[in-house]
Amino acid sequence: QVQLQESGPGLVKPSETLSLTCTVSGGSMKSYHWTWIRQPPGKGLEWIGYVDDSGSAKYNPSLKSRVTISLDMSKNQVSLTLNSVTAADTAVYYCARSVFVAAQNWFDPWGQGTLVIVSS
Amino acid sequence: SSELTQDPAVSVALGQTVRITCQGDTLRSNFASWYQQKPGQAPVVVIYGKNNRPSGIPDRFSGSSSGNTASLTITGAQAEDEGDYYCSSRDISRNVVFGGGTKLTVL
Repeated sequence: QVQLQESGPGLVKPSETLSLTCTVSGGSMKSYHWTWIRQPPGKGLEWIGYVDDSGSAKYNPSLKSRVTISLDMSKNQVSLTLNSVTAADTAVYYCARSVFVAAQNWFDPWGQGTLVIVSS
Repeated sequence: SSELTQDPAVSVALGQTVRITCQGDTLRSNFASWYQQKPGQAPVVVIYGKNNRPSGIPDRFSGSSSGNTASLTITGAQAEDEGDYYCSSRDISRNVVFGGGTKLTVL
């Protein structure tokens, strides 16, 4: 079965760039979208953006100026970069396989998540 | 952007039925999906589409929709159903939106 694993630095300094990688195992990346979602400590889920299997991405308008999501199917990886981070970007970051079909969308499975703290 | 509104907290007696709702204009034309999250764990999808349960999700979980409101119903709630529940959908611009989450307590 498909498994997702996020990886990257757990601590990033303010104004610097957050970079995370999601490695997909046990299945193909084709025919799916791949989504990044984050959750600040004690708060709800926030959609960051998604990329389809052609590499076309869509981002949360509130983050669009700072975020890039890319796909490397040769490595079975999805990457997230978030520029100019502040303490407000401290969160658990999840990647998830996504299905968008007509009027339906769902995320399954999710990675276990990785906590990123923005602090000097 | 579109918003999805959920009650912050709901409680249910053990074995009883509980409905968790999600309201938003985007639900008039898109189905919601529902996620259960337990402390320290990643969310897990429990319902998607009109009323689809992934394999491994108990049949006490069901979904429905009417107008701008989607509902997740747990019939015969169990102690292990405690957790946070989030709804999600897409808006007309194909942006994903999440509800603020509902904390379910099983008494």
